[in-house]
Amino acid sequence: QKEVEQNSGPLSVPEGAIASLNCTYSDRGSQSFFWYRQYSGKSPELIMSIYSNGDKEDGRFTAQLNKASQYVSLLIRDSQPSDSATYLCAVREGSGYALNFGKGTSLLVTP
Amino acid sequence: SAVISQKPSRDICQRGTSLTIQCQVDSQVTMMFWYRQQPGQSLTLIATANQGSEATYESGFVIDKFPISRPNLTFSTLTVSNMSPEDSSIYLCSDWTDYGYTFGSGTRLTVV
Repeated sequence: QKEVEQNSGPLSVPEGAIASLNCTYSDRGSQSFFWYRQYSGKSPELIMSIYSNGDKEDGRFTAQLNKASQYVSLLIRDSQPSDSATYLCAVREGSGYALNFGKGTSLLVTP
Repeated sequence: SAVISQKPSRDICQRGTSLTIQCQVDSQVTMMFWYRQQPGQSLTLIATANQGSEATYESGFVIDKFPISRPNLTFSTLTVSNMSPEDSSIYLCSDWTDYGYTFGSGTRLTVV
């Protein structure tokens, strides 16, 4: 069974701080990695995608990938209360096109 | 990226009945996926639906319970058959293009 693991949280950070969300995966053949944000009652919304080792930055968001350690993370700088949501790590495994999702980390940004 | 219109957005159904969920994409896409998200849980893949071929189901999901149609490159349906309260969940369709994966708005199903 290929696994994508995330801490469920909740992760609570004060407004303006950096939120760090982590994800590990079991399939070494995985090639594509995604972070989705999901507000309660809404469908997932793509935040970041990353395919190569290293960092990828987009505005306040930075995704980090380490394939040797099978680890992907998302950093949110200058966290805002509107960032409060569940963050889903998703992995496209080497054998197919569908995404395998972690259970998500609940983030709470307090004013 | 493609935009997916999913309907119905929610429904309350009697046990033993069936519900068909529709997803319409605003451009042609080769691959579509159907997911289930049970309360408080993450997304679980039900099946992959490619146009012109039978859907491929994940372990624990069978065609008799979740028949899928994919008549063309812009449309797919998922039917939840002979429903029980355990089928109460959010059902989401998704597509894959070179721009990534997009999700429909979801169907919140309650079986009573």
